[in-house]
Amino acid sequence: QQQVKQSPQSLIVQKGGISIINCAYENTAFDYFPWYQQFPGKGPALLIAIRPDVSEKKEGRFTISFNKSAKQFSLHIMDSQPGDSATYFCAASTDKLIFGTGTRLQVFP
Amino acid sequence: GAGVSQTPSNKVTEKGKYVELRCDPISGHTALYWYRQSLGQGPEFLIYFQGTGAADDSGLPNDRFFAVRPEGSVSTLKIQRTERGDSAVYLCASSPGAHNEQFFGPGTRLTVL
Repeated sequence: QQQVKQSPQSLIVQKGGISIINCAYENTAFDYFPWYQQFPGKGPALLIAIRPDVSEKKEGRFTISFNKSAKQFSLHIMDSQPGDSATYFCAASTDKLIFGTGTRLQVFP
Repeated sequence: GAGVSQTPSNKVTEKGKYVELRCDPISGHTALYWYRQSLGQGPEFLIYFQGTGAADDSGLPNDRFFAVRPEGSVSTLKIQRTERGDSAVYLCASSPGAHNEQFFGPGTRLTVL
C-alpha cells in the first residue's frame, strides 16, 4: 500500500529528445507528488511537484502529468540536454516521502 | 540562503562502535526528516520531527537507532553497536512545515567495516 513503483529503471535519450518517466501508487491518502533529481555524491534536489487537484504542472522544460483515477503520474523532460543526465526519483507523501526506485537517465549529444 | 548541511560528509567506523550524524536544517524550518539511501535505491524514511518532538519514528529499523532534536533546530541521528548492514548514505531534509516541500542536505556516507 505504501509502495511507489517507478519505471523504467534506466533511460537513454538523444539530446533534444523527450524523456518520460512513469510512477504508480496505491495509497489514495497521498496528497503530494514531487520529483527529485540526484547527481552522484549529492543529495536529492527538488525538481517539480504536484498536488492531486490538478492534472498537469509545467515548469520550464519539466512537466508532471497526473492521473488521479489511474493513480499514476509521470515526468516529461522536453528538449533533453546532457546536463540532465542524473537519477530521477518520484515520490508520494502525506508527510513523510515514499520514494520510487529511481530512473537513471543518460542524455547523449 | 544556506541550505541543509550535514556533518560529517563521510564517516568510517568499525563494527560495534557508536556514531553520531548531525543535521543543520534551513533556518526557520520546523519539520526535519531523516532518510537512509542504500546504493542504487531510493531514500527510505527513518524519522520525522515537528519542532522538538518525533512525530513519526516508524522507519527506524531497530532500537540501535535514535534521533534527537532538543531545541527544534539541529538534529542528531545516533546509531549504537553499528553493523555492516548500517552502511549507507544518511540524508536529512527540512521543510517549512508538514505537507510542504522537503529540501535535502548532501548526506553523510557511513561505512561500517
